[in-house]
Amino acid sequence: GQQLNQSPQSMFIQEGEDVSMNCTSSSIFNTWLWYKQDPGEGPVLLIALYKAGELTSNGRLTAQFGITRKDSFLNISASIPSDVGIYFCAGPIGNAGNMLTFGGGTRLMVKP
Amino acid sequence: SAVISQKPSRDICQRGTSLTIQCQVDSQVTMMFWYRQQPGQSLTLIATANQGSEATYESGFVIDKFPISRPNLTFSTLTVSNMSPEDSSIYLCSVSRAQETQYFGPGTRLLVL
Repeated sequence: GQQLNQSPQSMFIQEGEDVSMNCTSSSIFNTWLWYKQDPGEGPVLLIALYKAGELTSNGRLTAQFGITRKDSFLNISASIPSDVGIYFCAGPIGNAGNMLTFGGGTRLMVKP
Repeated sequence: SAVISQKPSRDICQRGTSLTIQCQVDSQVTMMFWYRQQPGQSLTLIATANQGSEATYESGFVIDKFPISRPNLTFSTLTVSNMSPEDSSIYLCSVSRAQETQYFGPGTRLLVL
């Protein structure tokens, strides 16, 4: 099946630093989604990308839909302690495109 | 988006028993899904909950182990049957109106002893 390879698996950074994580696939995706999961919570949608080359921001977060449609990245600028959590990329699969497959996640830890 | 609640939020169960998890949405949605998240892992789709018909299960998941109901457009249940310690996971429901975007409930944390 279609797999999303997400890297890095974990990051331990200093508060104020910028963060970058990415997701790649051997297959083409028409949509890329980025979620964040706080400890003890369900994933929350951060950014949705629908067009190749699209660059979208949500506050300090910026995500891009790769031109090849096989990759996406998420950047976080000026990290703060509440950015701690697990970040997942996801893309639609199935004939109707209404099911999601998820990357393995990037666990972000921020040192104050 | 949608406001999604799950009950129970967590439970500790004995092996061999069954647990039914409820998912309630604040408004009608087209699609409802159930996911499993094993400790330290990503999300794996269990099934699509279809309103008025049998759920559609993904490879590796069967109806006898994970029976699902969806009596209307705002409610679904997932039962984890004949539990073993390997079933200890977070179980998440999600909903979708638009084709690709899904919104998740807070999850049910299950520990099987």
